[in-house]
Amino acid sequence: ELKVEQNPLFLSMQEGKNYTIYCNYSTTSDRLYWYRQDPGKSLESLFVLLSNGAVKQEGRLMASLDTKARLSTLHITAAVHDLSATYFCAVDMTGTGGGAQKLVFGQGTRLTINP
Amino acid sequence: NAGVMQNPRHLVRRRGQEARLRCSPMKGHSHVYWYRQLPEEGLKFMVYLQKENIIDESGMPKERFSAEFPKEGPSILRIQQVVRGDSAAYFCASSDSRGLEAFFGQGTRLTVV
Repeated sequence: ELKVEQNPLFLSMQEGKNYTIYCNYSTTSDRLYWYRQDPGKSLESLFVLLSNGAVKQEGRLMASLDTKARLSTLHITAAVHDLSATYFCAVDMTGTGGGAQKLVFGQGTRLTINP
Repeated sequence: NAGVMQNPRHLVRRRGQEARLRCSPMKGHSHVYWYRQLPEEGLKFMVYLQKENIIDESGMPKERFSAEFPKEGPSILRIQQVVRGDSAAYFCASSDSRGLEAFFGQGTRLTVV
């Protein structure tokens, strides 16, 4: 059974600081996704990582994927208050070329950025 | 191009009643997925459907829960004889036939009283 673990689960940081959220998963997969969720809202897709060594950046967020280590990271640079949210990683269980998605989500990291 | 549309956004049911949750996928998407999110937890896969077919229902509880995606109309997640433990947010997602990325709807928040 595929397990996805994030850490930390809670993160409180000050504006301007850098930090990294880690996502480990237990079985082979080449597809990993990062989502943002604000309270009471849906999931906003942040990054789609489809191959080993993939690195994507959008604004102050950067995500990477190491399929050999079964590890993805979400790095936050010079955090601002607007980034406060819960961040989820999710791994696709169906494997490459499956033509469908069956995502296993991590527990989520609740990020609070203080002014 | 409208996104994934779910309704209702909020649903309150008394124990023992039925709940029907609807999901219209994005235009051009033929794959629909349902996920459940309990408070303070991540999403859990329930079922994957294509038009008129259930492809994978490995995450569905064995009793009281059913899903369909008819040829015409939205996908429906049906929960019969709801219990308090069914209270959760239910999210629908859709993808095209390549399945590389799924887009999520706003969710239906079910409260059982």
